[in-house]
Amino acid sequence: DTAVSQTPKYLVTQMGNDKSIKCEQNLGHDTMYWYKQDSKKFLKIMFSYNNKELIINETVPNRFSPKSPDKAHLNLHINSLELGDSAVYFCASSQDKEGARTGELFFGEGSRLTVL
Amino acid sequence: GNSVTQMEGPVTLSEEAFLTINCTYTATGYPSLFWYVQYPGEGLQLLLKATKADDKGSNKGFEATYRKETTSFHLEKGSVQVSDSAVYFCALRKTYNTDKLIFGTGTRLQVFP
Repeated sequence: DTAVSQTPKYLVTQMGNDKSIKCEQNLGHDTMYWYKQDSKKFLKIMFSYNNKELIINETVPNRFSPKSPDKAHLNLHINSLELGDSAVYFCASSQDKEGARTGELFFGEGSRLTVL
Repeated sequence: GNSVTQMEGPVTLSEEAFLTINCTYTATGYPSLFWYVQYPGEGLQLLLKATKADDKGSNKGFEATYRKETTSFHLEKGSVQVSDSAVYFCALRKTYNTDKLIFGTGTRLQVFP
């Protein structure tokens, strides 16, 4: 069983469209994250939720809206897609908010978004 | 600000060769340092970590020593295997304001038989 799974793995879409990437973890973790890997390959945190509550919200355009219907799911919705949104998006989870302290983050495989 | 710099890849080695992947960091205070590995078709997973100066993290034959004087956390393995082929990410924990992990760009390792 995959611990952290993301769908879709690949997404190609036109500028201006709205798209979502879904993430589910079956580890029973309390905290989930979205990271973006940009063209220069840096992995940067975007959001973090703990028990469905937003705890980290980096400076990202408000076209990006995370939604956590329950603590096992954290979906990323992107409105009005732009060329610069093309990237690989990684979902991750940790036992609790201390995940960054211990480094015990579990990542999904990533979702490659290409905006044309 | 806080950042992590890794050597550019890919690093290409023959089986049983010695591996070093360089990682240096810039940070205020005393960050914790981590190495993550991403095998083909899988997500990143924690490989090893060190939380204070001179600590050595080790796992699966890999080692890295937290060197504050050189602000480095280089990853080493004495004898690589084909199964070690993966992308390796160095990371630090930023503690100012909020706990966050800051990653480097990743270094791809390719090991040939």
